Amino acid sequence: EPEVTQTPSHQVTQMGQEVILRCVPISNHLYFYWYRQILGQKVEFLVSFYNNEISEKSEIFDDQFSVERPDGSNFTLKIRSTKLEDSAMYFCASMQGINEKLFFGSGTQLSVL
Amino acid sequence: DAKTTQPPSMDCAEGRAANLPCNHSTISGNEYVYWYRQIHSQGPQYIIHGLKNNETNEMASLIITEDRKSSTLILPHATLRDTAVYYCIVRIDEKLTFGTGTRLTIIP
Repeated sequence: EPEVTQTPSHQVTQMGQEVILRCVPISNHLYFYWYRQILGQKVEFLVSFYNNEISEKSEIFDDQFSVERPDGSNFTLKIRSTKLEDSAMYFCASMQGINEKLFFGSGTQLSVL
Repeated sequence: DAKTTQPPSMDCAEGRAANLPCNHSTISGNEYVYWYRQIHSQGPQYIIHGLKNNETNEMASLIITEDRKSSTLILPHATLRDTAVYYCIVRIDEKLTFGTGTRLTIIP
């Protein structure tokens, strides 16, 4: 079964550094998402992306965050200047069409020191 | 915020049916009920979804009451690998909004 692939599985960075989290969505999917989960807390929506632009973003997704689909296969989340509170598991998800089910990747554990 | 209410935790004996309830009393007529689960810290996994009819797939059954104000996810023969947090989600738009879910523990 096709799956959403995320790399790296773990990322450790120093506060203030830039990080890029990478995702390869399922190939014929058109809608893309980033979620995050701080340890012990809920899975939180960050941003959705469709037709090469952001369709919705949450309050968490401030100017430090950006997303990009640089080619036909990758979907990236960039955090420009990481903060301690950005430490979390970040999940990428994709969906084929509107009101279809979301498929999630296995996540990238980001640790900011 | 999520429009659903679930018990925070439940236990079920291995091999028995696990019945997970969910209240969604403010659901609108065209909003679907989705169930996902999260095993440890893995990505959420789709289980099943429905609108008003009961649904069944290889993983589970979904029973939705006639007034659509509540539903029950049934895992017919629970195994230890079904230990996870189960999320009942009323889908309002193209994204999913997760609540705190039910932590289901399968007891050997």
